[in-house]
Amino acid sequence: DAGVTQSPTHLIKTRGQQVTLRCSPKSGHDTVSWYQQALGQGPQFIFQYYEEEERQRGNFPDRFSGHQFPNYSSELNVNALLLGDSALYLCASSLVDRGLNTEAFFGQGTRLTVV
Amino acid sequence: DAKTTQPNSMESNEEEPVHLPCNHSTISGTDYIHWYRQLPSQGPEYVIHGLTSNVNNRMASLAIAEDRKSSTLILHRATLRDAAVYYCILIIQGAQKLVFGQGTRLTINP
Repeated sequence: DAGVTQSPTHLIKTRGQQVTLRCSPKSGHDTVSWYQQALGQGPQFIFQYYEEEERQRGNFPDRFSGHQFPNYSSELNVNALLLGDSALYLCASSLVDRGLNTEAFFGQGTRLTVV
Repeated sequence: DAKTTQPNSMESNEEEPVHLPCNHSTISGTDYIHWYRQLPSQGPEYVIHGLTSNVNNRMASLAIAEDRKSSTLILHRATLRDAAVYYCILIIQGAQKLVFGQGTRLTINP
């Protein structure tokens, strides 16, 4: 079992550009959540996808959008990049029918640097 | 979002027990208490969770106060590999997200 895999591992973009990050959940998991972790801070919830729909969203602007595919994999898109978007982006997968009385599995993250 | 309070940092010695405290005075009856840790350059890793009773697993033990307003993560014999940031998180019934605080940075001395 490969666990949660994210790609790419590192990325450098220029202000104003757009970026797409990808996540494959742990085998058997149907729910994907995305988090942003700035340097020295705890991860902050961006949104969660289940059945190809956004279930809940954190306090992030509309520049942040996502998608979930029928195979449960997911993408995070960020438009009009700002310097402040530089962070580690984490994907976590879980099973919706267990709710949160279970563990979430995190990937290694994508380190995004905006210059 | 339900709030937890943890010390910013703690230090311990290898092969000694470590007790990591967490205060959550605003917890409600249906909130679960979860602990995650994040090793350097890695994503967070689940450690343990509980509701009311103390819990044990291969990684750690979770001791929950009778009033549930605090909990303690116990590492029975710390190793150098346990050096990480430990996050105590309340999972609110119906919520779909983990709300991370600043966590406790645990340093293990050889």
